[in-house]
Amino acid sequence: NAGVMQNPRHLVRRRGQEARLRCSPMKGHSHVYWYRQLPEEGLKFMVYLQKENIIDESGMPKERFSAEFPKEGPSILRIQQVVRGDSAAYFCASSQTDSGNTIYFGEGSWLTVV
Amino acid sequence: GESVGLHLPTLSVQEGDNSIINCAYSNSASDYFIWYKQESGKGPQFIIDIRSNMDKRQGQRVTVLLNKTVKHLSLQIAATQPGDSAVYFCAENIGPGAGSYQLTFGKGTKLSVIP
Repeated sequence: NAGVMQNPRHLVRRRGQEARLRCSPMKGHSHVYWYRQLPEEGLKFMVYLQKENIIDESGMPKERFSAEFPKEGPSILRIQQVVRGDSAAYFCASSQTDSGNTIYFGEGSWLTVV
Repeated sequence: GESVGLHLPTLSVQEGDNSIINCAYSNSASDYFIWYKQESGKGPQFIIDIRSNMDKRQGQRVTVLLNKTVKHLSLQIAATQPGDSAVYFCAENIGPGAGSYQLTFGKGTKLSVIP
């Protein structure tokens, strides 16, 4: 899973600011997923993207959250006007296809909202 | 709602002993199961997976058992080492059609290895 690169690893934002989390999938992987983990809990699915397409965003909050995976460059998870409840670890994962292939996770981005 | 859950939130074992971590799932449509290990401050690390057409799969020092009759999954770690100390998550995937990418995670079991 070391191949999925996320940055920043740690991010502190004040309430109302924007947070941008970046993810580069493993080489050869074209499917990217974002998960959120609250303290002492398991990971919760947020969104699934392929290049230039959002396939499933059923786990994303309807407001303030957005994700993209452009043709060039990393996938971005953007949180606008952050609130304290957004404090969590955000994990990106990637796979070769969307079926039957192992999903590998990055090391995560820890967001703290103060 | 249907979910994946764990029987034991914490497990302490002596170094060298075998560890068994259990997981119950409630969705009979689940097709694919994965065990992840997560160390503090790190991302989930893939350990082993199993598909619903199998009941056992072995890896290096780890074995996953699947009992579809009672919807139960277990991870066995042989000769547990201090480096095995971590939180272990089981995750299920409800398979093609419903989005094979969407993993549902349990809350995790913390494994502590006593030297």
